Amino acid sequence: AQRVTQPEKLLSVFKGAPVELKCNYSYSGSPELFWYVQYSRQRLQLLLRHISRESIKGFTADLNKGETSFHLKKPFAQEEDSAMYYCALSGLNSGAGSYQLTFGKGTKLSVIP
Amino acid sequence: DSGVTQTPKHLITATGQRVTLRCSPRSGDLSVYWYQQSLDQGLQFLIQYYNGEERAKGNILERFSAQQFPDLHSELNLSSLELGDSALYFCASSVADGRGFHNEQFFGPGTRLTVL
Repeated sequence: AQRVTQPEKLLSVFKGAPVELKCNYSYSGSPELFWYVQYSRQRLQLLLRHISRESIKGFTADLNKGETSFHLKKPFAQEEDSAMYYCALSGLNSGAGSYQLTFGKGTKLSVIP
Repeated sequence: DSGVTQTPKHLITATGQRVTLRCSPRSGDLSVYWYQQSLDQGLQFLIQYYNGEERAKGNILERFSAQQFPDLHSELNLSSLELGDSALYFCASSVADGRGFHNEQFFGPGTRLTVL
């Protein structure tokens, strides 16, 4: 079974401070990890995926297989970063033979001006 | 809007009733996924359809069912509703069926269901 844990429901930081949103996962195979973001009154959208190793809106995330973590980081938080962030793992549903997303419960990031 | 659309936005109904939620995928996407988001359970995968056929099931109750029509829109049917079914129901779509690899899913705005 696959599981994604986001230990913080709410994270408040001051503008300009570093941000780290934690994500840990449990999966027996080779994982593919994602971060999704939901801004106020907007739909859920993909922020970044580990496989592309890119930085989006200043955010980066590194997959650490030893610690089974995929923490999301940004060196200097901006007010517009305030949103709900979800970590997700794409794992194989062996019965269906297809990959499915398992989401963490999300962390609400609040950037204080 | 060429993105994923869902109707209705809000739905209020009583226990024991039946409702239908509708989703239209992005143009060109063949897969449709349904998710339930509740306060205590977070975002949970319910079911996936690909090109009209059921592809995979997640934590979907027997009281719930779905289908995908020839024009690729999908409906999620919820019956014998209980208070605990109150949640936000999201639909997502993707180009492929996800076999062998993960393909990006695009989400709709959701339908908020309130069961009184």
